[in-house]
Amino acid sequence: GAGVSQSPRYKVAKRGQDVALRCDPISGHVSLFWYQQALGQGPEFLTYFQNEAQLDKSGLPSDRFFAERPEGSVSTLKIQRTQQEDSAVYLCASSQRGGSGGNEQFFGPGTRLTVL
Amino acid sequence: KQEVTQIPAALSVPEGENLVLNCSFTDSAIYNLQWFRQDPGKGLTSLLLIQSSQREQTSGRLNASLDKSSGRSTLYIAASQPGDSATYLCAVGPSSNYKLTFGKGTLLTVNP
Repeated sequence: GAGVSQSPRYKVAKRGQDVALRCDPISGHVSLFWYQQALGQGPEFLTYFQNEAQLDKSGLPSDRFFAERPEGSVSTLKIQRTQQEDSAVYLCASSQRGGSGGNEQFFGPGTRLTVL
Repeated sequence: KQEVTQIPAALSVPEGENLVLNCSFTDSAIYNLQWFRQDPGKGLTSLLLIQSSQREQTSGRLNASLDKSSGRSTLYIAASQPGDSATYLCAVGPSSNYKLTFGKGTLLTVNP
């Protein structure tokens, strides 16, 4: 596709429910990132994939958060037993190359998660 | 730990005015710096990417400068328009890895 797409755009969950957020990166992009953006804050890094390998998950706030990218393209961020503090916008980004050294990241529209 | 600060937090200007948004960072070991625009309820749109070896980048009415040694970047917007109203985010990419560190953003309102 032309850009990064995410679904659903909006998700309302009751506390304790599990949710799954999907990201379709730009075709051919090696790197994929998930960020969490709380209201009034800048995005914060959650996890990073290079192809299908999850190279960094240091930003995941708890073991209730799990991300995968099994075929090196589409990625899913899963949150188990959602809590109110999980309410945020979840942004996905992709970049063309892997490795270190600042390749430009392109962001999707985000999924706004509200936990009641 | 890298920290990014954006000043001012909010700015309101009349249409046609030239304006400057500021970004500062604490660790000068960066690979690049990106400026993004975020409209309400939307994702991030990349505006300009400056590599650490560069001093500035220009795109249309936008000009971004980078002074790595002093840990500062500015985004200059010429002849502002109401359509420029949005939150502008600055993010630095470190040399050692890929994680972007963001500021909290500047909320810009351009009044017609």
